[in-house]
Amino acid sequence: NAGVTQTPKFRVLKTGQSMTLLCAQDMNHEYMYWYRQDPGMGLRLIHYSVGEGTTAKGEVPDGYNVSRLKKQNFLLGLESAAPSQTSVYFCASSYRDTAQNTGELFFGEGSRLTVL
Amino acid sequence: AQSVSQHNHHVILSEAASLELGCNYSYGGTVNLFWYVQYPGQHLQLLLKYFSGDPLVKGIKGFEAEFIKSKFSFNLRKPSVQWSDTAEYFCAVNHPNSGGYQKVTFGTGTKLQVIP
Repeated sequence: NAGVTQTPKFRVLKTGQSMTLLCAQDMNHEYMYWYRQDPGMGLRLIHYSVGEGTTAKGEVPDGYNVSRLKKQNFLLGLESAAPSQTSVYFCASSYRDTAQNTGELFFGEGSRLTVL
Repeated sequence: AQSVSQHNHHVILSEAASLELGCNYSYGGTVNLFWYVQYPGQHLQLLLKYFSGDPLVKGIKGFEAEFIKSKFSFNLRKPSVQWSDTAEYFCAVNHPNSGGYQKVTFGTGTKLQVIP
């Protein structure tokens, strides 16, 4: 019963390097999200996807790109990492918003990224 | 824009003390309300949720929350805290958006420290 799985869990990058975070969910959820968590700021939405092949910007999308080639996977990319991107990144997924499904998010365990 | 306010950033309690964490939101329409908990080093987990009906909602581990529509509040309570309740608590609001993504807005979180 894996739920939402994120890889890698920890990563240290140098400024200017690139990397990709992978999120996989096995619950057949339509929606997937990437959040970043910073002290005193709660969770802020970076990008989200409402289905395979579609992505959209959230609150803080600059410096990030995403792709959702398969329904179960949602990738977050940093093309040129900056120290301001040091954070804990959480992937989440949810059902489509219907009368039966009302917005509960299912989270992965997080990926701690440090940019030097 | 929708916003969620958590007034207490850091709360320290002794075991067996009663807990109340405040949460206020700004959106005036229909909302779904959540409390998530994040234990040290772990991902966010759903503690309880309110969609409709009885405004007093009971969740896991003895937590409850009361939705007061006139005050735009959804405060979290527990009569007697335990050391294992040490965690960060996030209030979240979802504006139901048929056909769209789950627009979930998180508060900045309250860190609870329970002293044995």
